[in-house]
Amino acid sequence: QKEVEQDPGPLSVPEGAIVSLNCTYSNSAFQYFMWYRQYSRKGPELLMYTYSSGNKEDGRFTAQVDKSSKYISLFIRDSQPSDSATYLCAMSTTGNQFYFGTGTSLTVIP
Amino acid sequence: DGGITQSPKYLFRKEGQNVTLSCEQNLNHDAMYWYRQDPGQGLRLIYYSQIVNDFQKGDIAEGYSVSREKKESFPLTVTSAQKNPTAFYLCASSIRRPAYEQYFGPGTRLTVT
Repeated sequence: QKEVEQDPGPLSVPEGAIVSLNCTYSNSAFQYFMWYRQYSRKGPELLMYTYSSGNKEDGRFTAQVDKSSKYISLFIRDSQPSDSATYLCAMSTTGNQFYFGTGTSLTVIP
Repeated sequence: DGGITQSPKYLFRKEGQNVTLSCEQNLNHDAMYWYRQDPGQGLRLIYYSQIVNDFQKGDIAEGYSVSREKKESFPLTVTSAQKNPTAFYLCASSIRRPAYEQYFGPGTRLTVT
């Protein structure tokens, strides 16, 4: 069983839709949770991070962590065509070595 | 401009040859990382280094070697012992701990034939 599971998609939504991206994990010791956005043939860029449980909001993006269910989510409100990318979740126990999901490919259609 | 540079962007090698991928950062970060990205597999950690002259193996270190002689530089050598070297290689750096905010370079796409 992989440490981190992420539905690869692809996910296609109309502009303005709310997008929900999710990851599940098996290691209950994970306490650092990150979301990265990766455009084609580029390096990932950090979107959001949370420590332990709870929600975090930054503009149109909201990250949620449910440690009891071993489940994390990223919500994108008012999605834009520029949000079209692959979204990677990542998590860590110590804040040192990270485990990444396989990424979800998102296309926002104008 | 602060950031991470990787060179070259594309690299082609013949099977049996060693090849070194460059990674340089001017962010004054202590920690640096090498990942490999394959379709359907996500990012997998090859090696990481928390300080100069020290580095640790990640999950898939076999067939790879690194050095960390300077804070700014963390080159990765893909040796002929690596069975499936064709991949997209990403270098990252961060403050030492917690390293949740990793900054990634643009990547090097290596093709071995």
